[in-house]
Amino acid sequence: QQQVKQSPQSLIVQKGGISIINCAYENTAFDYFPWYQQFPGKGPALLIAIRPDVSEKKEGRFTISFNKSAKQFSLHIMDSQPGDSATYFCAASIPGSARQLTFGSGTQLTVLP
Amino acid sequence: DAGVIQSPRHEVTEMGQEVTLRCKPISGHNSLFWYRQTMMRGLELLIYFNNNVPIDDSGMPEDRFSAKMPNASFSTLKIQPSEPRDSAVYFCASSLAGTSSTQYFGPGTRLTVL
Repeated sequence: QQQVKQSPQSLIVQKGGISIINCAYENTAFDYFPWYQQFPGKGPALLIAIRPDVSEKKEGRFTISFNKSAKQFSLHIMDSQPGDSATYFCAASIPGSARQLTFGSGTQLTVLP
Repeated sequence: DAGVIQSPRHEVTEMGQEVTLRCKPISGHNSLFWYRQTMMRGLELLIYFNNNVPIDDSGMPEDRFSAKMPNASFSTLKIQPSEPRDSAVYFCASSLAGTSSTQYFGPGTRLTVL
């Protein structure tokens, strides 16, 4: 019930293309859905986050699409760049004082020049 | 702000030895998380603290692992005795508990147990 399932495991996109990573969850108590970006040798860093009261959130080239009824959310990276090559993790949390995050398994994105 | 500080960045030890990983959270943050990352299991939450109190340690793999947070600016994760299967990158993260608590991760400690 606490799992967040992420796909694909790896993704290769040409420069300028659209990268799409999908996540699905079961626990309807989740109310906060962040995406983290991790470069090799670094810790994950928050990229963008959404709450279930909106269906889409956009920040620059990054967009989260959220489908509450399907219990799915996805990250879209428009005009993908080689510098976007990293591992992306979706996550979810339930209300609470410390906001424990449940992470997806990660997607390794490679953007070819 | 210096961000979350972890030490050491790399640790190589032999099986059976005690290993202590250290973390300094961001000043003012009141929640602290320890994670382990491996290729096979991804990011696993080991334990987290709120206001220096351990809240959930259900992710700690076994009694060989222990964590403490003696004050708001310091936490340790200890493995005793260490085993080769403990080899992983260990991350510490901190956050300011609230409605949208972004977790800020440290650079991690890469542990290799021979």
